[in-house]
Amino acid sequence: GAGVSQSPSNKVTEKGKDVELRCDPISGHTALYWYRQSLGQGLEFLIYFQGNSAPDKSGLPSDRFSAERTGGSVSTLTIQRTQQEDSAVYLCASSARTGTGTEAFFGQGTRLTVV
Amino acid sequence: KQEVTQIPAALSVPEGENLVLNCSFTDSAIYNLQWFRQDPGKGLTSLLLIQSSQREQTSGRLNASLDKSSGRSTLYIAASQPGDSATYLCAVTTNSGYALNFGKGTSLLVTP
Repeated sequence: GAGVSQSPSNKVTEKGKDVELRCDPISGHTALYWYRQSLGQGLEFLIYFQGNSAPDKSGLPSDRFSAERTGGSVSTLTIQRTQQEDSAVYLCASSARTGTGTEAFFGQGTRLTVV
Repeated sequence: KQEVTQIPAALSVPEGENLVLNCSFTDSAIYNLQWFRQDPGKGLTSLLLIQSSQREQTSGRLNASLDKSSGRSTLYIAASQPGDSATYLCAVTTNSGYALNFGKGTSLLVTP
């Protein structure tokens, strides 16, 4: 596609349920990032994938959060046993490569509400 | 840990004014700095990317400068328009990692 695509755009879930959020990066982009934006807060880094290298998971807030990237393309962020504090907008970004100044492009985000 | 600060947090100006948004960062060992725009309920739109070897970038009415040694960047918006109203975010990528480190943004309102 022309840009980074995220689905669903909105998700309402009950506390304790598991959710999966999907990100389709721009074709050919090897780097993929997940961020979280809570109401009134800045963007919080969650996880980063670069090609076939081991992902940087240093931003994941707890072991309830996990992410995978299949075939170096589509990524899924999974939140198990959701809590109300998980409510936020989850943003995905991709870039052609990292470290030497290429642009990151963001999707429109998934708004997660845990009730 | 890289800390990114944006000042002011909010700004309201009448249409037509030129304005400057500020971004500062604590670790000068950066690969690049990127300015984004975020409209309410939307994702981020990339405005300008400045590589560490560059001093400035321009796109239309926007001009971004970078001073690595002092840990500062400015985004200059010329002849502001109501359509420029949005939150502007700066993000830096440092040599020690690949994540973009974001400031909390400047919320801009341009009134007709």
